[in-house]
Amino acid sequence: SQTIHQWPATLVQPVGSPLSLECTVEGTSNPNLYWYRQAAGRGLQLLFYSVGIGQISSEVPQNLSASRPQDRQFILSSKKLLLSDSGFYLCAWSRTSGDEQFFGPGTRLTVL
Amino acid sequence: TQLLEQSPQFLSIQEGENLTVYCNSSSVFSSLQWYRQEPGEGPVLLVTVVTGGEVKKLKRLTFQFGDARKDSSLHITAAQPGDTGLYLCAGDPQGGSEKLVFGKGTKLTVNP
Repeated sequence: SQTIHQWPATLVQPVGSPLSLECTVEGTSNPNLYWYRQAAGRGLQLLFYSVGIGQISSEVPQNLSASRPQDRQFILSSKKLLLSDSGFYLCAWSRTSGDEQFFGPGTRLTVL
Repeated sequence: TQLLEQSPQFLSIQEGENLTVYCNSSSVFSSLQWYRQEPGEGPVLLVTVVTGGEVKKLKRLTFQFGDARKDSSLHITAAQPGDTGLYLCAGDPQGGSEKLVFGKGTKLTVNP
């Protein structure tokens, strides 16, 4: 069966510090991968998605970047965090584009 | 740009009541999914509907896809406190897309 992992679960970082959130998927090959941010228990904002190694599409201009160094690894990064980067970050995978998505447990990021 | 409008945004009811939440669009979707998210966790897929007019039942939950595949509804019978959560609909736009379109969600609270 497939599983998706995210870490860390929670993170408190000062403004201006770097960020690295990691997501890995097990039990499947060549998944589509997604990074979302969710504010205040409301809708999901798609940040990045990837349909293959090294292929990253950005949905909104922002202070963040994403990389996919391996087939089942997706990383969300920032060189200098802003207060507005605080939120709940979710990684998800799907078998193909438009298919059901399976979400990780999320990372709660607080920037102080 | 395809949009999915969910209503109501918030719903607070007593245990045992019935409720319906809606997901509407002016665009056609190849399929539509419903997810439930509990606080601090990632969304979990409940159901996918793919055929216009399709009805699916999951215990006390009934999902319907509109005949024109532009809208969907979720009906819960005899709601229980365990049904509390954020209900998200997501659609795969007709014509193909690398990403799903998510609604902003309905936050349901079922009081004992």
